[in-house]
Amino acid sequence: GNSVTQMEGPVTLSEEAFLTINCTYTATGYPSLFWYVQYPGEGLQLLLKATKADDKGSNKGFEATYRKETTSFHLEKGSVQVSDSAVYFCALTHYGQNFVFGPGTRLSVLP
Amino acid sequence: DVKVTQSSRYLVKRTGEKVFLECVQDMDHENMFWYRQDPGLGLRLIYFSYDVKMKEKGDIPEGYSVSREKKERFSLILESASTNQTSMYLCASRTRVDRNTEAFFGQGTRLTVV
Repeated sequence: GNSVTQMEGPVTLSEEAFLTINCTYTATGYPSLFWYVQYPGEGLQLLLKATKADDKGSNKGFEATYRKETTSFHLEKGSVQVSDSAVYFCALTHYGQNFVFGPGTRLSVLP
Repeated sequence: DVKVTQSSRYLVKRTGEKVFLECVQDMDHENMFWYRQDPGLGLRLIYFSYDVKMKEKGDIPEGYSVSREKKERFSLILESASTNQTSMYLCASRTRVDRNTEAFFGQGTRLTVV
């Protein structure tokens, strides 16, 4: 079946550092890929998405590129801020099937 | 702005009580979902619904039931609450038409069973 693997962390960075959170997936065909963010005590919010190979999703300085050849959708940000501290979930859906979520990666950014 | 609203942010209930968690969405979405989130276990799907009065079991339905009498409302019911149901509960909705659509989440309900 479909699955998502991501680094679980926690990841601790200093402010203005470069961020990468790795995400790889297993699915037949061409799923749609998503990154969600969960701030402390809140629900999940969509951060960005990509619906086909080589698409790049971007939002709030975060980017991720849909790589079919490596089945990956790594999240990157050039300069993190303290306010980016949150849990990040990689997810996929395919032909209207239910979402499959990764385990989440906790990011802490220190001033 | 699209919205999924859960009736409570925090709940404390006693063991054996019947507990209702309510979720309302204003986007006319066909699909609605209930997840629970626990440290180290990620999000686990409890139940989902494709349409009014329709329901399907997710990965961990034991101890729960659901009700969807109106399109905008999806209720999660704990028939007899137990301490192992202490968790964060998340409701979500999405449209069914396009496979690329994202899910929208509520703010979560943190339930403590004592």
